[in-house]
Amino acid sequence: NAGVTQTPKFRVLKTGQSMTLLCAQDMNHEYMYWYRQDPGMGLRLIHYSVGEGTTAKGEVPDGYNVSRLKKQNFLLGLESAAPSQTSVYFCASRARYNEQFFGPGTRLTVL
Amino acid sequence: AQSVSQHNHHVILSEAASLELGCNYSYGGTVNLFWYVQYPGQHLQLLLKYFSGDPLVKGIKGFEAEFIKSKFSFNLRKPSVQWSDTAEYFCAVNYGGATNKLIFGTGTLLAVQP
Repeated sequence: NAGVTQTPKFRVLKTGQSMTLLCAQDMNHEYMYWYRQDPGMGLRLIHYSVGEGTTAKGEVPDGYNVSRLKKQNFLLGLESAAPSQTSVYFCASRARYNEQFFGPGTRLTVL
Repeated sequence: AQSVSQHNHHVILSEAASLELGCNYSYGGTVNLFWYVQYPGQHLQLLLKYFSGDPLVKGIKGFEAEFIKSKFSFNLRKPSVQWSDTAEYFCAVNYGGATNKLIFGTGTLLAVQP
């Protein structure tokens, strides 16, 4: 039982490049979330999903897209990366009683 | 607007000192409350949670928190900290609804000196 996993762990992009972050959970959770963590700002919700095939915008969705084609996977895409998207990205999935489990994070640097 | 405030941004303590980290949230009816901890270079881990019942909640590693509804507060406490408690601590509130989104505070960085 791996819980929540994220790939890759680290990535460096040039401005304008695109990439996809993958989140996978093996706990059969319905709800999945993508956050970004920046110093002094806590965690901010980018997008979330309440079930397979559904997605919705969070607090800071601009510049990101997501897809939830399979229940266990939640993908976060950056179509044209910008330096402002340099951050640590965390994926989480929700357990039965509103407790979220977090993945190990992806550290992204956009030059 | 729904919000969570952590007033202590950076706390420095000596080992064996007592700890209390403040967390206040804006009114929003029934809430679920959480404290998460993030050790250096690691992901967030749940310390404790409150859904209902006894407002004094005990978590892992000797931490506890008290929900005071009248003050909209959920302060984290530990009687005697250890060097290994050095980490960043996040308070989070779930205001419910269909999405079950968590609203996070900005975090408190705790440094425990040996």
